[in-house]
Amino acid sequence: DAGVIQSPRHEVTEMGQEVTLRCKLISGHNSLFWYRQTMMRGLELLIYFNNNVPIDDSGMPEDRFSAKMPNASFSTLKIQPSEPRDSAVYFCASTTGQGYTDTQYFGPGTRLTVL
Amino acid sequence: GQQVMQIPQYQHVQEGEDFTTYCNSSTTLSNIQWYKQRPGGHPVFLIQLVKSGEVKKQKRLTFQFGEAKKNSSLHITATQTTDVGTYFCAGPKSSNTGKLIFGQGTTLQVKP
Repeated sequence: DAGVIQSPRHEVTEMGQEVTLRCKLISGHNSLFWYRQTMMRGLELLIYFNNNVPIDDSGMPEDRFSAKMPNASFSTLKIQPSEPRDSAVYFCASTTGQGYTDTQYFGPGTRLTVL
Repeated sequence: GQQVMQIPQYQHVQEGEDFTTYCNSSTTLSNIQWYKQRPGGHPVFLIQLVKSGEVKKQKRLTFQFGEAKKNSSLHITATQTTDVGTYFCAGPKSSNTGKLIFGQGTTLQVKP
């Protein structure tokens, strides 16, 4: 079975440009988590969805960040406009949505560099 | 708010030496999970502990969940270069969601 798929794997863009990161969940999973990882701040949860509904977006840094889940298997994280401080590795992770015993399956990540 | 702390942040060992990382939660946890992230990779689930005092082993790795379900440890016996990476512990934010609170991780370097 395919794991969580993320694209692109690497993105280099200039400040002010729009960036869209994509994530495909594991088939049968219905919870989706977006994380950001940097050396300074570690692994931060940005937002998570359950059954396509955003449950907790308290980690979204500011209005420049938005996330959608247009269907049960796909999600996007958009940054508009991007800034150099957004440079990080962005991971999505999916789970079966069973609750507190869920284990998270991470995608390979998107390494974003904003110049 | 709920916090999960790990120590040490970094550990350098000689190949063959043992290694231990400790995880402490500010609240009682229903379970604790451990993940490993290789350099340049993504976190990968290792194990989940649910019962108070539970001990589980995976080859050279021993995982322990404290009696009060607020702390946990990961011990690696006779480290190998393949053990290099960052080890994260994580506990659920609440009992009815899949949201996890991750520790900041312990990065292990192994000198051959």
